[in-house]
Amino acid sequence: GAVVSQHPSWVICKSGTSVKIECRSLDFQATTMFWYRQFPKQSLMLMATSNEGSKATYEQGVEKDKFLINHASLTLSTLTVTSAHPEDSSFYICSAREWRTGDGYTFGSGTRLTVV
Amino acid sequence: AQSVTQLGSHVSVSEGALVLLRCNYSSSVPPYLFWYVQYPNQGLQLLLKYTSAATLVKGINGFEAEFKKSETSFHLTKPSAHMSDAAEYFCAVNHNTDKLIFGTGTRLQVFP
Repeated sequence: GAVVSQHPSWVICKSGTSVKIECRSLDFQATTMFWYRQFPKQSLMLMATSNEGSKATYEQGVEKDKFLINHASLTLSTLTVTSAHPEDSSFYICSAREWRTGDGYTFGSGTRLTVV
Repeated sequence: AQSVTQLGSHVSVSEGALVLLRCNYSSSVPPYLFWYVQYPNQGLQLLLKYTSAATLVKGINGFEAEFKKSETSFHLTKPSAHMSDAAEYFCAVNHNTDKLIFGTGTRLQVFP
């Protein structure tokens, strides 16, 4: 089945630094990838939708200059949290849509970001 | 706009008992509906999905869900709970867009 690899699984960084999270589709081409943020004991909040080769579409209220998304190939999307602050600490999850069938969403295992 | 409502943020059952997790959707046209399971500090795993074919959908791990248009519901059931079923469950809807809209989730606890 389709597999999405998300890396790193956890990261601790200092305030003011930037962190990059990678999301790779291992055995399929993903025309569309999604980035979610999940606060403790809460649901997933869609942050942005990225399509290969074009700019990401951000949801209302999500700062695009803070959460930089790049989708340079059909198998890789990255989320960079710039100038991280403690309030950015959260669980980030990516999802990729499988190109051939188009009705499947495969999720990465998530990244726990802690900003100290 | 599409949305899903999950009634009950917590459900507790005894091992071997019936599991029923509720999900109601809001959509003006037949939606695609999904149930996902999430274990602590992990991503989401698809349990099953409804894509306008059979209304009774069977998924993995013995779970199934029935699409009821008249009730705008897509409740998740399992005849006999297992300890390993303890997790967070999310209902999600998608309609003619790429976006998945998630419910608020239901935490299932299974007691021995």
